[in-house]
Amino acid sequence: DIVMTQSPDSLAVSLGERATINCKSSQNILYTSNNKNYLAWYQQKPGQPPKVLIYWASTRESGVPDRFSGSGSGTDFTLTISSLQAEDLAVYYCHQYFNTPYTFGQGTKLEIK
Amino acid sequence: EVHLVQSGAVVKKPGESLKISCEGSGYKFSSNWIGWVRQMPGKGLEWMGIIYPGDSDIRYSPSFQGQVTFSADKSISTAYLQWSSLKSSDTAVYYCARSPCSGGICSGNFDFWGQGTRVTVSS
Repeated sequence: DIVMTQSPDSLAVSLGERATINCKSSQNILYTSNNKNYLAWYQQKPGQPPKVLIYWASTRESGVPDRFSGSGSGTDFTLTISSLQAEDLAVYYCHQYFNTPYTFGQGTKLEIK
Repeated sequence: EVHLVQSGAVVKKPGESLKISCEGSGYKFSSNWIGWVRQMPGKGLEWMGIIYPGDSDIRYSPSFQGQVTFSADKSISTAYLQWSSLKSSDTAVYYCARSPCSGGICSGNFDFWGQGTRVTVSS
């Protein structure tokens, strides 16, 4: 199985500041024939189901604010929130869908400083 | 608009059986994968597996293979997750989610999620 490891486990950032969450996969998840990284990012607020933010590592889902961006390739990926808003308080998960069983990272809890 | 509506919360005793449902609407149910995700209390997301309602092709996570059964009835756009003998460790919220396909190409990420079904197993 591909193991997804996120860092940090929790993060406290001031409103308006940048937040960066990292995700490392135990194997390469770039499919060279289509040059796509099989990685998504989700946001889960308390008491709600997850919501997709980013897929193919860097494609923003329709309706997601442009302060959210994804980057990286191969085994190392990053979710960046450029200017933290109060409503961004949540747990964030990365998810590889390169090989079954697809797997999630352990989650990063984002708090407001 | 795409919607996934799951059956309501249940409380069961160890050893009992259970089948929960996930009804899709607003899209062609048979042509997109449906996945199941477990979230134990206070914990993260666990990928259980996926089913393709069009032909009931199934991929289980090894962690859940033999512990649960997926099925789908495309005639009523509904997917199911079932247990034959529940354990207290099955206490969790279970989400269904759509894994989209377009033009015969399927990704694997989840773009729409159900609201979750809380399953409590307690004697």
